[in-house]
Amino acid sequence: NAGVTQTPKFQVLKTGQSMTLQCAQDMNHNSMYWYRQDPGMGLRLIYYSASEGTTDKGEVPNGYNVSRLNKREFSLRLESAAPSQTSVYFCASSEILANGNTIYFGEGSWLTVV
Amino acid sequence: QKEVEQDPGPLSVPEGAIVSLNCTYSNSAFQYFMWYRQYSRKGPELLMYTYSSGNKEDGRFTAQVDKSSKYISLFIRDSQPSDSATYLCAMSRSSASKIIFGSGTRLSIRP
Repeated sequence: NAGVTQTPKFQVLKTGQSMTLQCAQDMNHNSMYWYRQDPGMGLRLIYYSASEGTTDKGEVPNGYNVSRLNKREFSLRLESAAPSQTSVYFCASSEILANGNTIYFGEGSWLTVV
Repeated sequence: QKEVEQDPGPLSVPEGAIVSLNCTYSNSAFQYFMWYRQYSRKGPELLMYTYSSGNKEDGRFTAQVDKSSKYISLFIRDSQPSDSATYLCAMSRSSASKIIFGSGTRLSIRP
């Protein structure tokens, strides 16, 4: 059981380049998320998808697009990378438990934009 | 004002000490509360989750929620060097709503 798998783990981009971060989960969860984590800022939600076919903006969606390809996969695209998008990106999925919901995270993708 | 506030630390304590980690929040609609642990260069992993006010214990870890004060705590007893990590609190309004995270407290346990 792999949980949440995201690729690539490390990437260096030049300003203006585009790239897609891939994410897949094998836990049959409906909800999936993309967060970015910066020093002193904690985890900030970029986009989330409550179910297959739906996506919604989070706190910091500007400069990003997402695709919920199917129930398993949720990708994050940077169309024109900027240095401000240098960050660690985490994909996550969640399940609803008896007394709440909880998120399971991938291992992270370290992105540097130069 | 952020919805969830958490002291970033760093917090350094000797091995065996009791550690207290705390978060405050402003949205009284939050009902579900979680604590995550994050080791360096890894994704956060769930430690504990609770619903509404009260205490929950799991081994050396105890989570407390005081909704009247909008304050949650995580206590670690008999702290070990392996507990050195960043601890993030998180909360949500309902079982299906977005989860909001604190910025995390960096904890170091000295052998």
